[in-house]
Amino acid sequence: GQQLNQSPQSMFIQEGEDVSMNCTSSSIFNTWLWYKQDPGEGPVLLIALYKAGELTSNGRLTAQFGITRKDSFLNISASIPSDVGIYFCAGHGLGYGGSQGNLIFGKGTKLSVKP
Amino acid sequence: DSGVTQTPKHLITATGQRVTLRCSPRSGDLSVYWYQQSLDQGLQFLIHYYNGEERAKGNILERFSAQQFPDLHSELNLSSLELGDSALYFCASSERGRPTNEKLFFGSGTQLSVL
Repeated sequence: GQQLNQSPQSMFIQEGEDVSMNCTSSSIFNTWLWYKQDPGEGPVLLIALYKAGELTSNGRLTAQFGITRKDSFLNISASIPSDVGIYFCAGHGLGYGGSQGNLIFGKGTKLSVKP
Repeated sequence: DSGVTQTPKHLITATGQRVTLRCSPRSGDLSVYWYQQSLDQGLQFLIHYYNGEERAKGNILERFSAQQFPDLHSELNLSSLELGDSALYFCASSERGRPTNEKLFFGSGTQLSVL
């Protein structure tokens, strides 16, 4: 089935640093979504991307829908302590029915503060 | 607050038992999705209901079932519980019935512990 490979699995940040993470797939996706999950909470939608090449910002967050439609990245600029959490990419594949076309999630990138 | 309400927040039960998880979607949303989140598998799509009808099934076990009622709330029933069913169960909702290009909004989840 369709799978998303998200990297890195984890990273440590220092306040003020820029952060990058990405997601790749072996198949084409119609939509890319980026979510953030805090402990004990559900994923919260950060950015939604609908067209290949689309670049969208939400405050200090910027995400892009790859031209090949098989990848997406998320950048966080000038990170702050509250950016800590787990970031998930998610995508809608082609077609619909069965398990197709539903939102598929990457395994997440865990952002922690550098000790 | 996403507007999606899930109850209970925590559930502790024993193997072999049956439990029911409840979800109320955002006002105006007709679709409800159930996801299971475990440490090793990430967020896995279980099932999707739209306006009372099942639309798609993912990796949902036969011991699990769901339904969506006329008032659009949904219940996920888990029976003959096993230790491996311990996980976070999330409900999400969206406005329409075809998830492609839809934004999914997640509840805070139900943490199920099977002892």
